[in-house]
Amino acid sequence: NFMLTQPHSVSESPGKTVTISCTGSSGSIASNYVQWYQQRPGSAPTIVIYEDNQRPSGVPDRFSGSIDSSSNSASLTISGLKTEDEADYYCQSYDSSNHVVFGGGTQLTVL
Amino acid sequence: EVQLVESGGGLVQPGGSLRLSCAASGFTFSSYGMNWVRQAPGKGLEWVSYIRSTSGPIYYADSVKGRFTISRDNAKNSLYLQMNSLRVEDTAVYYCARDRVPTGDSVGFDIWGQGTMVTVSS
Repeated sequence: NFMLTQPHSVSESPGKTVTISCTGSSGSIASNYVQWYQQRPGSAPTIVIYEDNQRPSGVPDRFSGSIDSSSNSASLTISGLKTEDEADYYCQSYDSSNHVVFGGGTQLTVL
Repeated sequence: EVQLVESGGGLVQPGGSLRLSCAASGFTFSSYGMNWVRQAPGKGLEWVSYIRSTSGPIYYADSVKGRFTISRDNAKNSLYLQMNSLRVEDTAVYYCARDRVPTGDSVGFDIWGQGTMVTVSS
């Protein structure tokens, strides 16, 4: 079964840049689009990146997404970190049966 | 305002049944594929099921296949999840989520409800 693996947690200081990885278990991660969601405690997820690197309206351009086929991974990069960015982040894609797959989630701490 | 509101959660014994509902407003519900996603306490997101806008494929996660049934009533702008043979491990917040685009292409979810809690316990 296709799986997406994320680091359990990352931390960085305000104003810095952090990158969260999402590695596909098999096949090519570039075969299906990758989305990223932010989930603050007690709230529903919200989409911050779609189609690998597109930002929905209202999402700051501090958020960016990319795909690296050589490592079969996707990345979410947040620059100019703010305390409000502290949240859980999930990558999401699809398997060969068009079933939705989520990564395990990464807890971002801004300290 | 585009909105999804879930209801129907609660406490149920193992082996019991529950029916969740998701009321949609502010958009043309019949044009969009819809999903159920759950999150166990302190855990990550787990996709549960998908139903296309009209006729077409329905998908289930292996963990719920044969026990859960997704359906929709476009006339009532509502999505449902019938959950039978519930297990302790089905305990979670259940979210309904809208496909980001109405074409059926697999490009994520842009609207989520606030979630409804389902607790399976004796």
